Amino acid sequence: EVHLVESGGSLVQPGGSLRLSCAASGFTFTKYWMNWVRQAPGKGLEWVANVNQDGRGKYYVDSVKGRFIISRDNVKNSLYLQMDSLRAEDTAIYYCAGGEYWGQGTLVIVSS
Amino acid sequence: DIVMTQTPLSSPVTLGQPASISCRSSQSLVHSDGNTYLSWLQQRPGQPPRVLIYKVSNRFSGVPDRFSGSGAGTDFTLKISRVEAEDVGIYYCMQATLLGSFGQGTKLEI
Repeated sequence: EVHLVESGGSLVQPGGSLRLSCAASGFTFTKYWMNWVRQAPGKGLEWVANVNQDGRGKYYVDSVKGRFIISRDNVKNSLYLQMDSLRAEDTAIYYCAGGEYWGQGTLVIVSS
Repeated sequence: DIVMTQTPLSSPVTLGQPASISCRSSQSLVHSDGNTYLSWLQQRPGQPPRVLIYKVSNRFSGVPDRFSGSGAGTDFTLKISRVEAEDVGIYYCMQATLLGSFGQGTKLEI
């Protein structure tokens, strides 16, 4: 059975940092591009970033460029999102997704 | 950036009747590898999204066959042959041909 389990979400002050993790199991992690997608409260889905299979190709939505870094560990079957200089508008549920597989999400709240 | 536009944004439906959602992309979704990376996702109230259809017309494992996807290039459609109560939720189209982007979502309500 496929599992994508996100962790690391919490309440953080504006300007702060968080590192999200996503543990994958039940599918061949190394075959897939992996994505972070977020959903602000009451809003639609927004693609945030993705990384190719070997971890060298990384792409971001303009609003997070220079602040977020996506990475993966193909030995640990894990995906990460380092988020720095957080803003109120980064408040959202962050989902890890690969191919047709999605996690349950982790909540990030940026507030003073 | 590829902009995805869904219509309608809200769709009142009757149980047992068909429903259809359209999605148009601002440029062709045909990838250089020949595939078209257009998916349809369902998000039930209080739940994470789940993939129903991938690469335009492929039904994901466990998805009822009343859901079908079609289209090519820039125009795509999700059809539900007979709406059931459990189909209530928001439906999104998503492209992964160039980075990633989603439609605004279509709220399906009985």
